[in-house]
Amino acid sequence: AQSVSQHNHHVILSEAASLELGCNYSYGGTVNLFWYVQYPGQHLQLLLKYFSGDPLVKGIKGFEAEFIKSKFSFNLRKPSVQWSDTAEYFCATRGPDKLIFGTGTRLQVFP
Amino acid sequence: EPEVTQTPSHQVTQMGQEVILRCVPISNHLYFYWYRQILGQKVEFLVSFYNNEISEKSEIFDDQFSVERPDGSNFTLKIRSTKLEDSAMYFCASSEGRGGFTEAFFGQGTRLTVV
Repeated sequence: AQSVSQHNHHVILSEAASLELGCNYSYGGTVNLFWYVQYPGQHLQLLLKYFSGDPLVKGIKGFEAEFIKSKFSFNLRKPSVQWSDTAEYFCATRGPDKLIFGTGTRLQVFP
Repeated sequence: EPEVTQTPSHQVTQMGQEVILRCVPISNHLYFYWYRQILGQKVEFLVSFYNNEISEKSEIFDDQFSVERPDGSNFTLKIRSTKLEDSAMYFCASSEGRGGFTEAFFGQGTRLTVV
C-alpha cells in the first residue's frame, strides 16, 4: 500500500532560519505527492503538489519541494521562515479516491 | 472564497451516544470525504462519497459509521454508538474531481470528545 513517512515530528526555528522538512514515500506506481499546512485553528490548505514534470515544485508562501525519485523523497523547503509559518505540515500521497497523510511535523518559529 | 464549513467545532458526548457531524461542502464539488486525526497521530482517511454512494472506505469505517447527503448542501457523518477511541478531530473535505487527482478543500474540523 502507498504511504508517506515524516521523520521530523517537531521542529523549532528562529525567524530567518532555513527550513527543510523530510517526507519519504513508498513506491506504488504513479507517484502524486502533496504538502498541506494547517495553521493554528484553521483548516488544512494545499501548499504544493507534484504530479509529473519538473521535480522542483514551487508552492504558495515561498515554499518549494523537490521530488527525488532515487531517494523516494519529497522534502519541503523554505529559505527563510517567518513567525507566521508556525503550523503543522503534512506530506501526503494519493489513492484514487483519497489522500494518504503522513504523521505531520509541527513547526514552531520564534521571533 | 468558497470554503468547506463544519459544525459544531467541538462536540462532547457520552460513550454509547450517537453523534452527527455536519459539513457543508463547496457548492460545485462532487466528491466528499471524511478524515479523522486522533491527537498526536496522523490524519486518517475514513470514507469518500460520490453520486450519493460511498466510493471507498477504510477499515476504520465500520458499521458504527455512516454518511449521508440528506439534501443538496449538507454531508453528514454519523457515529451510532460512540466509543472512547472515537475521540478525535474529524475533517470534512470536498473536491471537484477524484480526490487523488484534484485539490481537496478541507473544513476546519470538529473536535469530538467522548467521555
